[in-house]
Amino acid sequence: AQTVTQSQPEMSVQEAETVTLSCTYDTSESNYYLFWYKQPPSRQMILVIRQEAYKQQNATENRFSVNFQKAAKSFSLKISDSQLGDTAMYFCALMDSNYQLIWGAGTKLIIKP
Amino acid sequence: NAGVTQTPKFQVLKTGQSMTLQCAQDMNHNSMYWYRQDPGMGLRLIYYSASEGTTDKGEVPNGYNVSRLNKREFSLRLESAAPSQTSVYFCASLGDPLTDTQYFGPGTRLTVL
Repeated sequence: AQTVTQSQPEMSVQEAETVTLSCTYDTSESNYYLFWYKQPPSRQMILVIRQEAYKQQNATENRFSVNFQKAAKSFSLKISDSQLGDTAMYFCALMDSNYQLIWGAGTKLIIKP
Repeated sequence: NAGVTQTPKFQVLKTGQSMTLQCAQDMNHNSMYWYRQDPGMGLRLIYYSASEGTTDKGEVPNGYNVSRLNKREFSLRLESAAPSQTSVYFCASLGDPLTDTQYFGPGTRLTVL
């Protein structure tokens, strides 16, 4: 069975600091996709970043970047220059060959002023 | 372009009552999904539809039925609601899985008393 594990239930950092959220996964498939989603208090699920497993280059999206370690099955999210609006739940997800998403339990990120 | 819409946004039911959650997307996507989100957990897949006319069970299908009415609409029905079905329900759709991601509706908060 495929699994996604987020080991940090909650994190808190000061505004403008850099924070890294951890995610590990397990799959036997060779081709898959990994995602980070943000869920603010509004409940809306917002895509933060996407990574194709066959690409070695780490994805980046403005202040958001990932460290994708395929052999270690690790997919961490780094947020640089954190902002108050980054406060949210962050979910790591794996898309399998059936195009279904398997989700981690989430990390609650709090950015303090 | 509304994306993915869900109705209703909130609903309170008594045990044993039935209801249908509606979902529609205007992005011409083939695949649609229903998830539930419980406190402290990621999303869990209830049912999905890879294309018009097909539906398949996900991780937690018991107590639910679905209908893929046409390419745009995918409804979720609770025939006899139970308190264990108190949750937030999300509908999602997926375009080209090679280049895209799942787009989510705003969610329905359902309480079963």
